[in-house]
Amino acid sequence: GAVVSQHPSRVICKSGTSVKIECRSLDFQATTMFWYRQFPKQSLMLMATSNEGSKATYEQGVEKDKFLINHASLTLSTLTVTSAHPEDSSFYICSARDRSVGPYEQYFGPGTRLTVT
Amino acid sequence: AQSVTQLGSHVSVSEGALVLLRCNYSSSVPPYLFWYVQYPNQGLQLLLKYTSAATLVKGINGFEAEFKKSETSFHLTKPSAHMSDAAEYFCAVESNFGNEKLTFGTGTRLTIIP
Repeated sequence: GAVVSQHPSRVICKSGTSVKIECRSLDFQATTMFWYRQFPKQSLMLMATSNEGSKATYEQGVEKDKFLINHASLTLSTLTVTSAHPEDSSFYICSARDRSVGPYEQYFGPGTRLTVT
Repeated sequence: AQSVTQLGSHVSVSEGALVLLRCNYSSSVPPYLFWYVQYPNQGLQLLLKYTSAATLVKGINGFEAEFKKSETSFHLTKPSAHMSDAAEYFCAVESNFGNEKLTFGTGTRLTIIP
């Protein structure tokens, strides 16, 4: 089956620094990738939709200048949390859609645990 | 607009007993419906999906779900619970008009009692 990887799996950074999270589709081309945020014991909240070669579409309330998303190729999307603060600590999960297999299933990465100290 | 309601944030069943996790949806167009499972500190794994074909959908690990349009429900069941089924379960809906956004329910934590 389709595999999506995320790197790193865990990251700790100091307040005010930036951190980049990578999301890769390993065995398929993902024209669309999604970034979610999950707080402890809560559901997934969609942050943004990332389309290859175009600007990401952010959900209402998500700061696009703080959460920079780049989808540079059909297998890679990155989320950069800029000037991180403790309230940005969360579990970030990406997913990718394989349009060659329909109807359309999202394959999820294993997640990245971000802790801002 | 679409939404999902999962009744019961916590469900406990005995090993070998029936598992029933409830999901009701709201969608202005015919929906696609999904059940995902999440183990601690991991991403989501698809259990099964409904995409307007058969209303009774069989998934992995012995789970199945039935789409009932009249009840706007998509409940997840498994005849006999196993200890390894302990996890968080999410129901999700996507309108098949192609906006591709998944809307998740709040999740149900399933505990299996030995």
